[in-house]
Amino acid sequence: GENVEQHPSTLSVQEGDSAVIKCTYSDSASNYFPWYKQELGKRPQLIIDIRSNVGEKKDQRIAVTLNKTAKHFSLHITETQPEDSAVYFCAASRWTNKLIFGTGTLLAVQP
Amino acid sequence: NAGVTQTPKFQVLKTGQSMTLQCAQDMNHEYMSWYRQDPGMGLRLIHYSVGAGITDQGEVPNGYNVSRSTTEDFPLRLLSAAPSQTSVYFCASSSDRSNGELFFGEGSRLTVL
Repeated sequence: GENVEQHPSTLSVQEGDSAVIKCTYSDSASNYFPWYKQELGKRPQLIIDIRSNVGEKKDQRIAVTLNKTAKHFSLHITETQPEDSAVYFCAASRWTNKLIFGTGTLLAVQP
Repeated sequence: NAGVTQTPKFQVLKTGQSMTLQCAQDMNHEYMSWYRQDPGMGLRLIHYSVGAGITDQGEVPNGYNVSRSTTEDFPLRLLSAAPSQTSVYFCASSSDRSNGELFFGEGSRLTVL
């Protein structure tokens, strides 16, 4: 089955800096790669996703890149703000309802 | 439109007790899943369903049962609770198997003593 590894587990940046979180996956059949943000005590919420036929996708300050050959994908957050502080999870799967998640990255944006 | 609703939000059980975590969605989604979240281990898939009457096992199914008698409801049953089942449980649903966003409930925090 699918296995997703996520690094780093914690990341601290200064406000305005960029943050990068990386994930690798094992199943070459996976073709859907979403990123979820979870604020303390809240439910995970989708922030961006990418499919295997696309190499990069951007939505304002966040972007995701995918390298299918190397089986890794990354989340990039530019111009970080204190409200970006949260736990971020990557996931991979062929199917939306069978997502396999990474172990999460706690991002702290220092004002 | 309430989305995905989970009850109870908090529960304390003794080892060996049984209970059911309820999950209901009002978005007419075919696909529903249960995840557990533990510190440092992310979200792990317990069971999932692709429609009424159809369920299957995820990554960590042992100790849990599910059923899907209606499109709206997807309860998770713990038959004999163990301390290792102390966790936060999330129910989720999606409208499309390959293109739909996964919507999560607010979570149920379970403690087994």
